[in-house]
Amino acid sequence: GAVVSQHPSWVICKSGTSVKIECRSLDFQATTMFWYRQFPKQSLMLMATSNEGSKATYEQGVEKDKFLINHASLTLSTLTVTSAHPEDSSFYICSAEDSFTDTQYFGPGTRLTVL
Amino acid sequence: GESVGLHLPTLSVQEGDNSIINCAYSNSASDYFIWYKQESGKGPQFIIDIRSNMDKRQGQRVTVLLNKTVKHLSLQIAATQPGDSAVYFCAEKEGTGGTSYGKLTFGQGTILTVHP
Repeated sequence: GAVVSQHPSWVICKSGTSVKIECRSLDFQATTMFWYRQFPKQSLMLMATSNEGSKATYEQGVEKDKFLINHASLTLSTLTVTSAHPEDSSFYICSAEDSFTDTQYFGPGTRLTVL
Repeated sequence: GESVGLHLPTLSVQEGDNSIINCAYSNSASDYFIWYKQESGKGPQFIIDIRSNMDKRQGQRVTVLLNKTVKHLSLQIAATQPGDSAVYFCAEKEGTGGTSYGKLTFGQGTILTVHP
């Protein structure tokens, strides 16, 4: 089946630093990738839609200057949390949409802890 | 705004029983529905999907039923096993022409616990 990877799987950083999370589709091409965040015992909340070769589309209330998204190829999207603060601590999950089937496959998630 | 919701936040069953997880949706423009399973600390795993031109679809031990009249979706798991214990999310996607085309909207999630 389709596999999506994320790196790193977990990261701990100091307040004020920036953290980059990578999302890769390993065996299919994804024109569109999505970034979600999930708080404990809650559902997934869509942050932004990442389209290869163009600017990301952010959901209402998500700061585009704080959560930088780059989708430079059909298999890679990155999310950079800039000047991270403790309230940014969360589980960040990406998904990649198979261009042929429209099915979204999810990565394993990245646990971000900001001290 | 429109949302996808679940009737039951938790469900406990005995191993071998059949499980039914329900989901209500409110966006009439949605034409594609998916069930995901999420284990603790992991990303959602695709289970089964169904398009709005169908009312039933079967997979291995799982069946999804769609009732568009009452905007209701259910996931049936046959012979539930301890390994099925997880949080189950329904998700919906709007069809072409919708303002949210391509985006998935997730329900709240149901915690399924299977007792040996």
